[in-house]
Amino acid sequence: QQQVKQSPQSLIVQKGGISIINCAYENTAFDYFPWYQQFPGKGPALLIAIRPDVSEKKEGRFTISFNKSAKQFSLHIMDSQPGDSATYFCAASMMGDMRFGAGTRLTVKP
Amino acid sequence: GAVVSQHPSRVICKSGTSVKIECRSLDFQATTMFWYRQFPKQSLMLMATSNEGSKATYEQGVEKDKFLINHASLTLSTLTVTSAHPEDSSFYICSARAPPAGGQETQYFGPGTRLLVL
Repeated sequence: QQQVKQSPQSLIVQKGGISIINCAYENTAFDYFPWYQQFPGKGPALLIAIRPDVSEKKEGRFTISFNKSAKQFSLHIMDSQPGDSATYFCAASMMGDMRFGAGTRLTVKP
Repeated sequence: GAVVSQHPSRVICKSGTSVKIECRSLDFQATTMFWYRQFPKQSLMLMATSNEGSKATYEQGVEKDKFLINHASLTLSTLTVTSAHPEDSSFYICSARAPPAGGQETQYFGPGTRLLVL
């Protein structure tokens, strides 16, 4: 059973646009929600993370929005750049046990 | 962020041989490490959880006799693919659970190991 559902599967955005990736979870025991960025042939790298007591967290061009009642969270990439083209994974963790979404392949066109 | 290394980054071997992959946490001690497998354009599939000084916990469907995991120290876990076959060809990624920072533990991933079994 997939515990974290991620959408869309792929996303194409023009340079300078906003990229939005959504995730939903079922288990309310999850208490930590990180996003990872993965380039081809590389391991995932922690991008930004949020805890459920916060509704939004921003780091540079990356923002996580968190809706606890809806059990949803999303990643917004402002002013998207070609260098942001990668696969993004959301995850949900409880007591260190982390479950990943299926991933979103983002392509930012110049 | 914390640094996790993997070695080798890429390995090609003949069918029937065994391959060992090392995962090291370079700047922190990790009592728990994880091994994932990733097929092209797919998500990370957790294979096993490796705890220092104890037996690994394998996910359902993962053969523990084929994928041997040893976590002998707080900075090193190894995955040995025994009697490798072409269907074992994949991208293997480890991660290490870092001590809480800001009240929250998180996982840091290694760069991955590309295994090709001929």
